[in-house]
Amino acid sequence: DADVTQTPRNRITKTGKRIMLECSQTKGHDRMYWYRQDPGLGLRLIYYSFDVKDINKGEISDGYSVSRQAQAKFSLSLESAIPNQTALYFCATSPTGNEQYFGPGTRLTVT
Amino acid sequence: AQSVTQPDIHITVSEGASLELRCNYSYGATPYLFWYVQSPGQGLQLLLKYFSGDTLVQGIKGFEAEFKRSQSSFNLRKPSVHWSDAAEYFCAVVIPGGYNKLIFGAGTRLAVHP
Repeated sequence: DADVTQTPRNRITKTGKRIMLECSQTKGHDRMYWYRQDPGLGLRLIYYSFDVKDINKGEISDGYSVSRQAQAKFSLSLESAIPNQTALYFCATSPTGNEQYFGPGTRLTVT
Repeated sequence: AQSVTQPDIHITVSEGASLELRCNYSYGATPYLFWYVQSPGQGLQLLLKYFSGDTLVQGIKGFEAEFKRSQSSFNLRKPSVHWSDAAEYFCAVVIPGGYNKLIFGAGTRLAVHP
């Protein structure tokens, strides 16, 4: 079984809809991250969490919110989706904040 | 601001040829350095990392990278490319001492001709 899982893997939604992307990990890491990937831009950090009570904004947090329900679970929400949030979203975990381990990604399309 | 530059957006090589992917970073001191690979439809897999010590590091899948402080570079190499190496490669750095943010380059897409 994969150490970092993301659900759903693909999602198409309409402008204005609320959507939640979920991430679960079995690696036992305290640190978890959400990134979005756009062609030619690499990965950009949306939010990160060092433990259940420690959540921080990344460089592109506007329009997103997160919830760390447990050490193993970190969810990303789009309160009102817009087309420019169409992207590939990755969850990652880390034991120390240095090397990170990525999930398979969620491809989100907002029409 | 810290940044990571991968000058080559696309590279095409023939199977069996050698490969070098370039990466330069902008930071006053030596960061922690990483190379990740993303195969089509997959997440990112860590190829190798450099924290300190020997400047030539070995990774998985036959890849190696060399850290050159004078050039602020961390280039990825493979002596003989296989068709399965076709993927996108990302260089990344962590600036130690802060909240350890991972900063990615824009990526280099590698195509392999038979």
